[in-house]
Amino acid sequence: AQSVTQLDSQVPVFEEAPVELRCNYSSSVSVYLFWYVQYPNQGLQLLLKYLSGSTLVKGINGFEAEFNKSQTSFHLRKPSVHISDTAEYFCAVSVVIQGAQKLVFGQGTRLTINP
Amino acid sequence: KAGVTQTPRYLIKTRGQQVTLSCSPISGHRSVSWYQQTPGQGLQFLFEYFSETQRNKGNFPGRFSGRQFSNSRSEMNVSTLELGDSALYLCASSLDIAGGREQFFGPGTRLTVL
Repeated sequence: AQSVTQLDSQVPVFEEAPVELRCNYSSSVSVYLFWYVQYPNQGLQLLLKYLSGSTLVKGINGFEAEFNKSQTSFHLRKPSVHISDTAEYFCAVSVVIQGAQKLVFGQGTRLTINP
Repeated sequence: KAGVTQTPRYLIKTRGQQVTLSCSPISGHRSVSWYQQTPGQGLQFLFEYFSETQRNKGNFPGRFSGRQFSNSRSEMNVSTLELGDSALYLCASSLDIAGGREQFFGPGTRLTVL
């Protein structure tokens, strides 16, 4: 069964510092991988996704992620964070059952940016 | 284009009652999925509807049910509410059900069961 592990529940960083949010997945088949962001009192917004092709995926708000099949990882990175990046970040893997997709989410990483 | 809307945004119910939540997808989207978000269990898939048919179901008891109308709007119902049903219920819509498709999430309905 597919599963997702986000290795850090909380990540505090200073403004303008780089950040990496770690995500590992388990899957016995080809995967589609996603990173979503959730700001307080809001729903989830897609940051980026990996379907196939280039292992480096660029998303919105300056975020990027690298798919590493051998390490079954899909870590999210940003070279310089802003206060506005304070939010919860979710990694997800797509599971396709009988032609229908559902997302399996990690437990989330709370990113806190300190001035 | 308007995003996914969910009504109501907040609900307070007591144990044993039932509740109905509504979701209007983005215009043109035919798939609607529902997720439950709690601090302890995180985000968990409830079910997905496409063209008025349930395509996929998560591991939830039968008290949780849903349906989709011909205009793609969806409702989910929870009967005989329990304290543990307190959660943020998120609805997501997408154009179709292809693997790897982007799902657009609504702001959620926060249900509190007293």
